[in-house]
Amino acid sequence: DGGITQSPKYLFRKEGQNVTLSCEQNLNHDAMYWYRQDPGQGLRLIYYSQIVNDFQKGDIAEGYSVSREKKESFPLTVTSAQKNPTAFYLCASSPTGTRDTGELFFGEGSRLTVL
Amino acid sequence: GNSVTQMEGPVTLSEEAFLTINCTYTATGYPSLFWYVQYPGEGLQLLLKATKADDKGSNKGFEATYRKETTSFHLEKGSVQVSDSAVYFCALRDQGAQKLVFGQGTRLTINP
Repeated sequence: DGGITQSPKYLFRKEGQNVTLSCEQNLNHDAMYWYRQDPGQGLRLIYYSQIVNDFQKGDIAEGYSVSREKKESFPLTVTSAQKNPTAFYLCASSPTGTRDTGELFFGEGSRLTVL
Repeated sequence: GNSVTQMEGPVTLSEEAFLTINCTYTATGYPSLFWYVQYPGEGLQLLLKATKADDKGSNKGFEATYRKETTSFHLEKGSVQVSDSAVYFCALRDQGAQKLVFGQGTRLTINP
């Protein structure tokens, strides 16, 4: 079945450590996104990528980094510079061009807790 | 910039009650509008969408009409069920833009 797989589902990190969240899709979508979800604040865009080897900062990129070396993969690194990293992280993808319906397809999320 | 404002939650209703969740937006162009639903412990799923003024999106008994004059896209359902308990997000995507802008979400709980 086609879809988006995020791992790990739950992750605990000590302060000062970097951590990388995985996002893989087999939908053949060009665009991929990372959102952060906090209670009462909805979803805020961290980074997005419209094509391999290119990505743009979203609204809250500070303290995060991404790479897009393959179409299927868009890993997110939460660095020690992120002041408040405890959150639920959602990865999404979408087609572009003539296949674009406006819909984003989401993974099931990764919950990061900093101890 | 573009933004979406949803009615504050949480919202608690009894089964078979009528549901309205308000959503208003600010956009510079002519956006497409969406409602997404998030069930406990899961990612978001598209519930319905509308791409131009006066369009009505519908799915699973939910409806929303794109009202340009009031910049609104309120979600309605005539008779809710316990299984509708979830968090609902209103979102917009401006013309020519790739990313979605989300509202803060409204948590809905339906009691039997």
